[in-house]
Amino acid sequence: GQQVMQIPQYQHVQEGEDFTTYCNSSTTLSNIQWYKQRPGGHPVFLIQLVKSGEVKKQKRLTFQFGEAKKNSSLHITATQTTDVGTYFCAGSPWAGKSTFGDGTTLTVKP
Amino acid sequence: NAGVTQTPKFQVLKTGQSMTLQCAQDMNHNSMYWYRQDPGMGLRLIYYSASEGTTDKGEVPNGYNVSRLNKREFSLRLESAAPSQTSVYFCASSEDDRLAKNIQYFGAGTRLSVL
Repeated sequence: GQQVMQIPQYQHVQEGEDFTTYCNSSTTLSNIQWYKQRPGGHPVFLIQLVKSGEVKKQKRLTFQFGEAKKNSSLHITATQTTDVGTYFCAGSPWAGKSTFGDGTTLTVKP
Repeated sequence: NAGVTQTPKFQVLKTGQSMTLQCAQDMNHNSMYWYRQDPGMGLRLIYYSASEGTTDKGEVPNGYNVSRLNKREFSLRLESAAPSQTSVYFCASSEDDRLAKNIQYFGAGTRLSVL
């Protein structure tokens, strides 16, 4: 079945440093979604990417979808303490339901 | 507009006890999902319901049953709880399970401990 791998599993950064998490699928995806889960909270939808090579920005967050639609990345510029949490990608194949990656947990040292 | 509501928020069970986790959504969504999340781990799909009247097994269905009571409600039942079922349970819903309409909205979760 479809597998979605996320790396790294954990990332510790100093406030102000950049952060990137990567998502790789074993199969070509129709779309990919990113979610954020704050400590003790529930996953919250951030964004959906659909087109090959698509790049979307939300303030300091930049999301990319690979040309082959098998990988994606989330980049945060100049992290802040409010960015802490676990970031999940969820990939949707052309047939079948979406699969969540295991997430990347970000901690930010002030 | 409450979104996805889960009850209870916390529960402690003894091994062998049964219980039902309740989930309701008010967004008129067709698809609903149950996940479990163990400490420091990702989300594992237990069961899902693509539409009212249908349910399907996910990645980790053993030990659980579900009921899609109506379009709004999707319950998860543990018939004989085991310590391995200690986890946080999330319910989610999406407009549909088809492409581009499968953005999921999560409830606040139920934190379950089985002693």
